[in-house]
Amino acid sequence: DQQVKQNSPSLSVQEGRISILNCDYTNSMFDYFLWYKKYPAEGPTFLISISSIKDKNEDGRFTVFLNKSAKHLSLHIVPSQPGDSAVYFCAARDDKIIFGKGTRLHILP
Amino acid sequence: NAGVTQTPKFQVLKTGQSMTLQCAQDMNHNSMYWYRQDPGMGLRLIYYSASEGTTDKGEVPNGYNVSRLNKREFSLRLESAAPSQTSVYFCASSEGGWVSPLHFGNGTRLTVT
Repeated sequence: DQQVKQNSPSLSVQEGRISILNCDYTNSMFDYFLWYKKYPAEGPTFLISISSIKDKNEDGRFTVFLNKSAKHLSLHIVPSQPGDSAVYFCAARDDKIIFGKGTRLHILP
Repeated sequence: NAGVTQTPKFQVLKTGQSMTLQCAQDMNHNSMYWYRQDPGMGLRLIYYSASEGTTDKGEVPNGYNVSRLNKREFSLRLESAAPSQTSVYFCASSEGGWVSPLHFGNGTRLTVT
């Protein structure tokens, strides 16, 4: 059973607008959540994380929001830039790190 | 600083052949991991090594073995390759187990025919 779900396989956003990537989880024991970004032919790179005791973490253009009651987190990218086109993986930790299936983000010129 | 280096980058095997995927990190990290990525499946953990001298199974360990050769190196072996093992394999390391972000290599693309 999938514990970390990214229900949108792909998302297209105009350059300069806000990109919102969503992630749902089922395991209430997860205590830490992460987002990774992946370009083709490269490994994933760590982007931003949030502890389960917080509801928001911001790093430059990237903000992650956590809604524990809904078991939902989202990554906001503002403003979106061409270099943000990539696959984004949501991940969560209990005794291991579990990854979602990823969302491919296309930034349109 | 190279980070996490994986060799080879590409490999084609016939069913039943064996091979070892190599991984080395130069960040003095304690923990190392092997994941596989399949279309529509995300990243799935095969094996990990929390520290030198220890290894543990992940979600999909069947058909694989690992060796933590020293602190720097963590290899993944396929003893008898099967078409179901066609995938992209990523090695990763972290400073201290699951509490630190993972740093990934660029992957090995393996095709088993």
